[in-house]
Amino acid sequence: DAMVIQNPRYQVTQFGKPVTLSCSQTLNHNVMYWYQQKSSQAPKLLFHYYDKDFNNEADTPDNFQSRRPNTSFCFLDIRSPGLGDAAMYLCATSGVNSPLHFGNGTRLTVT
Amino acid sequence: QKEVEQDPGPLSVPEGAIVSLNCTYSNSAFQYFMWYRQYSRKGPELLMYTYSSGNKEDGRFTAQVDKSSKYISLFIRDSQPSDSATYLCAMISNAGNMLTFGGGTRLMVKP
Repeated sequence: DAMVIQNPRYQVTQFGKPVTLSCSQTLNHNVMYWYQQKSSQAPKLLFHYYDKDFNNEADTPDNFQSRRPNTSFCFLDIRSPGLGDAAMYLCATSGVNSPLHFGNGTRLTVT
Repeated sequence: QKEVEQDPGPLSVPEGAIVSLNCTYSNSAFQYFMWYRQYSRKGPELLMYTYSSGNKEDGRFTAQVDKSSKYISLFIRDSQPSDSATYLCAMISNAGNMLTFGGGTRLMVKP
């Protein structure tokens, strides 16, 4: 099935140790998103790519970076994770004016 | 005031009940409306996607949009324990693809 795949499902990192989360899609959608979701809260948009054009939300910390080397893959880099960055990170894709399709997320723990 | 308001619940119903989940919104630019279901430790799964005011039915699920009142609803008929999840409403304006979520309603269907 066409889908959005996130790896790993669970990631543990140490305070301040860089970590990279990955997302791939087989939907051939041109828009890809990264969301952060904390417990009992709605997902919060961090940034998105329209094709190769990167769009950062105004309140996304500089600690978060992203790369999209091609249509299918997108990465979230957290340069120096803090305890407050522990959350579920969701990747999503969409076509133009079409609904978002989400992956199953990566749950990040910071020790 | 949030752009999209959704009662967080939890909403507890007996199996077989009709469930009504609702969201109100303040931005008249919203044109596309979605309902997502999110199971614990999973990503949001698209349930319904509507554009115009009125009803859209898919199996046991009916989505209703009233743009004049800025109010959307999701009805679940013959609810099942497997429907227990958090339901997120979401909407997009014509101007782009940025989804605005409600806070989610946690639903529990008891056998």
